[in-house]
Amino acid sequence: QSVLTQPPSASGTPGQRVTISCSGSTSNIGSNAVNWYQQLPGTAPKLLIYSNNQRPSGVPARFSGSKSGTSASLAISGLQSEDEAVYYCAARDDNLNGPVFGGGTKLTVL
Amino acid sequence: EVQLVDSGGGLVKPGGSLRLSCAASGFTFSSYAMVWVRQAPGKGLEWVSSISTSSTFIYYAGSVRGRFTISRDNAKNSLFLQMNSLRGEDTAVYYCARDSFGGFDSWGQGTLVTVSS
Repeated sequence: QSVLTQPPSASGTPGQRVTISCSGSTSNIGSNAVNWYQQLPGTAPKLLIYSNNQRPSGVPARFSGSKSGTSASLAISGLQSEDEAVYYCAARDDNLNGPVFGGGTKLTVL
Repeated sequence: EVQLVDSGGGLVKPGGSLRLSCAASGFTFSSYAMVWVRQAPGKGLEWVSSISTSSTFIYYAGSVRGRFTISRDNAKNSLFLQMNSLRGEDTAVYYCARDSFGGFDSWGQGTLVTVSS
């Protein structure tokens, strides 16, 4: 049971816009920044979004993040086949002195 | 180019020990906090431990506290995780990652630890 709650799966067709939600509490998302990671099959996770809505260098503008209260979301526009991956949200938790992760959302591009 | 190379994984019996290493290159290692994150087979990510730049601040997940010890050698650009009293539920791929305040922005390739008799 993960501290942050994500839907286990999401899907879309090429070119579509999809969103993935992440729900937490006041001790994590409510008081700390949210990061998103993308994990392609058989590879290490990659930082996709940091500080709620910032993209590291090299991440396409198709990826965007937002946060409101104790929830956050990742949006992917212009969906492409290479976006098929598992996406994890994460935020530091004030009760743990470390980050907590969502359970991951497997995105399928139909 | 930032590079993190994880090593030291393997098969160990319950109750045994293992020491993981992470060799860093391409950046000023001593300027970054570092972390270990693990992923059980077919499961999600779990933070294991964090260490500050000069080892002053060290934190552990409750599931490993008292059994695992994180350390670093800034002179050798290396991060370590000493794992004792290993259990079946510690079976996972262990990743080291760089903590750049804005998130874990670089990751090792991971090293598999299997705890089984």
